[in-house]
Amino acid sequence: QQQVKQSPQSLIVQKGGISIINCAYENTAFDYFPWYQQFPGKGPALLIAIRPDVSEKKEGRFTISFNKSAKQFSLHIMDSQPGDSATYFCAASGEGFGGSQGNLIFGKGTKLSVKP
Amino acid sequence: DGGITQSPKYLFRKEGQNVTLSCEQNLNHDAMYWYRQDPGQGLRLIYYSQIVNDFQKGDIAEGYSVSREKKESFPLTVTSAQKNPTAFYLCASSIAWRSLELNTEAFFGQGTRLTVV
Repeated sequence: QQQVKQSPQSLIVQKGGISIINCAYENTAFDYFPWYQQFPGKGPALLIAIRPDVSEKKEGRFTISFNKSAKQFSLHIMDSQPGDSATYFCAASGEGFGGSQGNLIFGKGTKLSVKP
Repeated sequence: DGGITQSPKYLFRKEGQNVTLSCEQNLNHDAMYWYRQDPGQGLRLIYYSQIVNDFQKGDIAEGYSVSREKKESFPLTVTSAQKNPTAFYLCASSIAWRSLELNTEAFFGQGTRLTVV
């Protein structure tokens, strides 16, 4: 019930291509869906986030697509660059699941490599 | 500069020892969190604190302890009861534990890598 399933585990994309990472959730109480970017040896940093009242949010080359009925959301990185090479985590939070209300539940991460 | 500071960056522990990881924030955030990161496992919540002098167990609290005596500090102790402590530990904070009106973004520190020797 509290899981967020992320795929793929790893992704290799050519420079200029589109990177797509998918996440699925079960708990319909989730209402906040952020994506975090983590470089090796560093802490994650918020990249972009969406709430379920919109189906898409775009910030620069990064877009979140959200499908409430399918309980899925995805991150699209347009014109992928070598500097985008990092691990990406999706997450979700919401009310009403026991003692961890409001805490972020993370997917297991996707390691993205963008080849020059 | 505002942010979250974790120290030390690297920490080595002998079998049977307790060690304490430091986490300090000057963002005036009420909520603080400790996560453990293992390869291929994502981030798993150890403990969280909604407000000073209060904290709750997360999903993997066994073998860990915390305190929240000051708003800006949330140290994590890895006790000898934690059988597999080697991991990357991340501290985070957010402005409030849960608010639909406020930005619920979590800010992370740079992590502490703990190794058992």
